[in-house]
Amino acid sequence: SQTIHQWPATLVQPVGSPLSLECTVEGTSNPNLYWYRQAAGRGLQLLFYSVGIGQISSEVPQNLSASRPQDRQFILSSKKLLLSDSGFYLCAWSEGLYGNQPQHFGDGTRLSIL
Amino acid sequence: QKEVEQDPGPLSVPEGAIVSLNCTYSNSAFQYFMWYRQYSRKGPELLMYTYSSGNKEDGRFTAQVDKSSKYISLFIRDSQPSDSATYLCAMRDQAGTALIFGKGTTLSVSS
Repeated sequence: SQTIHQWPATLVQPVGSPLSLECTVEGTSNPNLYWYRQAAGRGLQLLFYSVGIGQISSEVPQNLSASRPQDRQFILSSKKLLLSDSGFYLCAWSEGLYGNQPQHFGDGTRLSIL
Repeated sequence: QKEVEQDPGPLSVPEGAIVSLNCTYSNSAFQYFMWYRQYSRKGPELLMYTYSSGNKEDGRFTAQVDKSSKYISLFIRDSQPSDSATYLCAMRDQAGTALIFGKGTTLSVSS
């Protein structure tokens, strides 16, 4: 069966520091991968998605970037964190990009910026 | 008007009650509808996945979609304390990549 791993589970970082969050998927090949952010009192917002190695699409302009160096690895990064980057970051995967395949989520990274 | 509206609750019910959770939406192009359950400090877990209008049942859970009213529901029968969580509705159209989520309804089932 497929599993998705995210780490770290919790992270506290000072403003202006860099960020690297990692997500890996096991048990499937060539998954579609997604990064979402869940802010307090707000719904989940899609940040990035990827249909293959090196292919990244951004949904919203922001201080973050994403990379996919391997088929089942997805990384969320920032060079300089802002206070507004605080939130719960969730990685997800699906077997198809459009419509008819549901997305499955990892357990997230809770990021606090001080 | 927001694309997906969901009453945040909280909703408190006694064990064994029937729970009804609902979302309304504005985009008539949405065709795929999902319900996720999210426990505190965990990621959302897919509960139900339906296409277009109709009902789908899985154990104690029933999902209903009424596209004419732009309204979806999740019913939980014989609710258990372990059902206490936040329930998120989500939907997308055929061409869309992103799931559009409601803000979630927090449910508490007391024993």
